Amino acid sequence: EEQLVESGGGLIQPGGSLRLSCAASGFIVSTNYMSWVRQAPGKGLEWVSIIYSGGSTYYADSLKGRFTISRDNSKNTLYLQINSLRAEDTAVYYCARTVVMTGIYDAFDIWGQGTMVTVSS
Amino acid sequence: DIQMTQSPSSLSASVGDRVTITCRASQSVSSYLNWYQQKPGKAPKLLIYAASSLQSGVPSRFSGSGSDTDFTLTISSLQPEDFATYYCQQSHIKRTFGQGTKVEIK
Repeated sequence: EEQLVESGGGLIQPGGSLRLSCAASGFIVSTNYMSWVRQAPGKGLEWVSIIYSGGSTYYADSLKGRFTISRDNSKNTLYLQINSLRAEDTAVYYCARTVVMTGIYDAFDIWGQGTMVTVSS
Repeated sequence: DIQMTQSPSSLSASVGDRVTITCRASQSVSSYLNWYQQKPGKAPKLLIYAASSLQSGVPSRFSGSGSDTDFTLTISSLQPEDFATYYCQQSHIKRTFGQGTKVEIK
């Protein structure tokens, strides 16, 4: 079964740093596009970042600079490093496989259960 | 970033109703448009990709249409399990979600 399991969330003080992990099973992270999506409490979905199979990375313009997406092929795991955390980063963070359909269109087809990040003093 | 605007933000409907949700992009996204369903406390679920293609395992009462800047998600006959929040998402330039449409029981 293809599955994603996030970890690493928790309560962290403003200004701190955090690394979220997303362990994949049933498929290979490095041969897929992988993304992070977040959702603040009671709010909508916000795309954060994507890493392509070739290694290129992209970020939402509003978030560029404090977020770094990466992967460890040997552990089949995706990561999101977040620095200088702010209260507005409080959210559930989901990782999602970004599968390419019909050769050119991609979509988030497999999602993890999410990990909650709370930024508060 | 490309902005995605959904309408309405919420709607009330009854079981058996035909429901239509609209999504408009701030610039052309061709057919790089997906639709998701999210229930409280759960991860989103892919319904429609490439504007009109039904994801495997999704009931045929769900359909999508449109291209360029204007898109529609239609539920032909609303079922009890369809009460949820729906999101559109573009994948033409980076990725962006609409703000969501909550479908509630009337």
